[in-house]
Amino acid sequence: SAVISQKPSRDICQRGTSLTIQCQVDSQVTMMFWYRQQPGQSLTLIATANQGSEATYESGFVIDKFPISRPNLTFSTLTVSNMSPEDSSIYLCSVEDWRTERKDEQFFGPGTRLTVL
Amino acid sequence: QKEVEQNSGPLSVPEGAIASLNCTYSDRVSQSFFWYRQYSGKSPELIMSIYSNGDKEDGRFTAQLNKASQYVSLLIRDSQPSDSATYLCAVNMNFNKFYFGSGTKLNVKP
Repeated sequence: SAVISQKPSRDICQRGTSLTIQCQVDSQVTMMFWYRQQPGQSLTLIATANQGSEATYESGFVIDKFPISRPNLTFSTLTVSNMSPEDSSIYLCSVEDWRTERKDEQFFGPGTRLTVL
Repeated sequence: QKEVEQNSGPLSVPEGAIASLNCTYSDRVSQSFFWYRQYSGKSPELIMSIYSNGDKEDGRFTAQLNKASQYVSLLIRDSQPSDSATYLCAVNMNFNKFYFGSGTKLNVKP
């Protein structure tokens, strides 16, 4: 499966600021996703990152708060804007590649642990 | 009702025993089902996927799917302390939308 990296691995930020998280894959993939995992909770899908077009956001998540870019088939960014302590969470990117045998299996990056003070 | 439900545990089993993890889902037309293992402080790791009714075996792991009952399970044979982790059930209910259960924490005692 693809090797996925995320930067930064962790950060501590002040409220009101923004943080951009990068997700890099070592091969081209058809689908990239962003998830949030709040402390002690399961994973919640934020959005699907679409290559060359606007991301598709899930209910409860908006572009102004979580702008996403996907300029090519190996890279995506998620920005957490105007942060508050409630945004403290682990942010994960995941990938699927429908061109492979493993089709709709999703593989996760190592995550970015964000703490907002 | 949550889309994917799991018993949060913790489930404690002795080393060498069979651990049985269960998951139910709400969308009858779901076609793809996955089990992830997540160690504390780490990201989820895919361990099994299953698409058809019945059993699918991979080493010490067996996934079982019953679409009529909307039920999927994971059996871990010969459990090891290294299997201690949280196990997440995921269901692909719409095109590429995964719903995750809250996870079952497994503790394998030496």
